[in-house]
Amino acid sequence: DTAVSQTPKYLVTQMGNDKSIKCEQNLGHDTMYWYKQDSKKFLKIMFSYNNKELIINETVPNRFSPKSPDKAHLNLHINSLELGDSAVYFCASSRQDSNQPQHFGDGTRLSIL
Amino acid sequence: QKEVEQNSGPLSVPEGAIASLNCTYSDRGSQSFFWYRQYSGKSPELIMSIYSNGDKEDGRFTAQLNKASQYVSLLIRDSQPSDSATYLCAVNTGGSYIPTFGRGTSLIVHP
Repeated sequence: DTAVSQTPKYLVTQMGNDKSIKCEQNLGHDTMYWYKQDSKKFLKIMFSYNNKELIINETVPNRFSPKSPDKAHLNLHINSLELGDSAVYFCASSRQDSNQPQHFGDGTRLSIL
Repeated sequence: QKEVEQNSGPLSVPEGAIASLNCTYSDRGSQSFFWYRQYSGKSPELIMSIYSNGDKEDGRFTAQLNKASQYVSLLIRDSQPSDSATYLCAVNTGGSYIPTFGRGTSLIVHP
């Protein structure tokens, strides 16, 4: 009965490849997010998405794109992977209310060879 | 630009002591404040939320908010080695549901 689940947990791939990370939440939340956490542990927002709008952090390269088939899923596609993309990627969800905390998935550790 | 500042630490305290973690924020319109705990290799988990000035207690944890001085703190009483983790402060401004996270403070509780 995991609340926010993301797959895969580990992803090791070559530079230049295209990969996807999947995320699903069963909390009934209407907003989902993708975060990148680098080696210094800084949690950086990449995208926020609900059924009305997609908010993109302008510093995120356009090689990264979110895809949401429905409000319970927000997948992350990454094209032409680069060494600097190595990090842990967290999916999260919340109700669209500034008083509501976020619930995080277990993370996907992406390593680029 | 909205900023949330935390001392990266590590903050080292002996077992049984009070650990005090601090966070300052730049946006005076901030209305919601959260503390997350993140163990090494794990995801952040919510431990406290606070919305109004003053103290909020939950077990060994107390969150303190002072909007006039723009800081929020987390006190952990009777610290245990299992409290050793990184503590992330997150702040939501009014009207925005996207929080700004601080860089986190590493806490080490030694026996």
